[in-house]
Amino acid sequence: NAGVTQTPKFRILKIGQSMTLQCTQDMNHNYMYWYRQDPGMGLKLIYYSVGAGITDKGEVPNGYNVSRSTTEDFPLRLELAAPSQTSVYFCASSYVEEKLFFGSGTQLSVL
Amino acid sequence: TQLLEQSPQFLSIQEGENLTVYCNSSSVFSSLQWYRQEPGEGPVLLVTVVTGGEVKKLKRLTFQFGDARKDSSLHITAAQPGDTGLYLCAGVDQTGANNLFFGTGTRLTVIP
Repeated sequence: NAGVTQTPKFRILKIGQSMTLQCTQDMNHNYMYWYRQDPGMGLKLIYYSVGAGITDKGEVPNGYNVSRSTTEDFPLRLELAAPSQTSVYFCASSYVEEKLFFGSGTQLSVL
Repeated sequence: TQLLEQSPQFLSIQEGENLTVYCNSSSVFSSLQWYRQEPGEGPVLLVTVVTGGEVKKLKRLTFQFGDARKDSSLHITAAQPGDTGLYLCAGVDQTGANNLFFGTGTRLTVIP
């Protein structure tokens, strides 16, 4: 099993550009999550989903959007990139809500 | 926002030494998890503690959940270079909102 796969691994955006961070999992997990990790700040939850067609905001959702059309995929959309969105983004999935499996992350810089 | 503070933020020790990392909050959690994260990778779950006062051992790592379920500690005995990494605690929201609240992290370096 590949587990949780994130693409791309690195990306540089200009202010105002948009992009989609891809996340797919092959473990048939119902729960999926997007976190961002800033230096010295731990991980902050952006959005999560408890199943296909259901999404909800986390702690820091502003500037992001998600969709969950299938169990496997949970893309994260940045519409108007801002320097404050420079961070490392992690997607995660879980079967039960407490044991998370993380992808290897996407390092995003907005210049 | 439920704040989990970890201390120390950075720790550099010699191989063979013992160390303790602390995770503290003013909030009560239904359970608490510890993760280790290596550079360029996502966090990997080490352990989940559920009951107040619970102690779990994973080889040289000992995890304890506070009696009031607000704090936790991780003790490593005879640290090895392979223990190097970022250690994160994460509290599970007691309200059942499917949220993990992560601590600020402790970056451990074990020098051979």
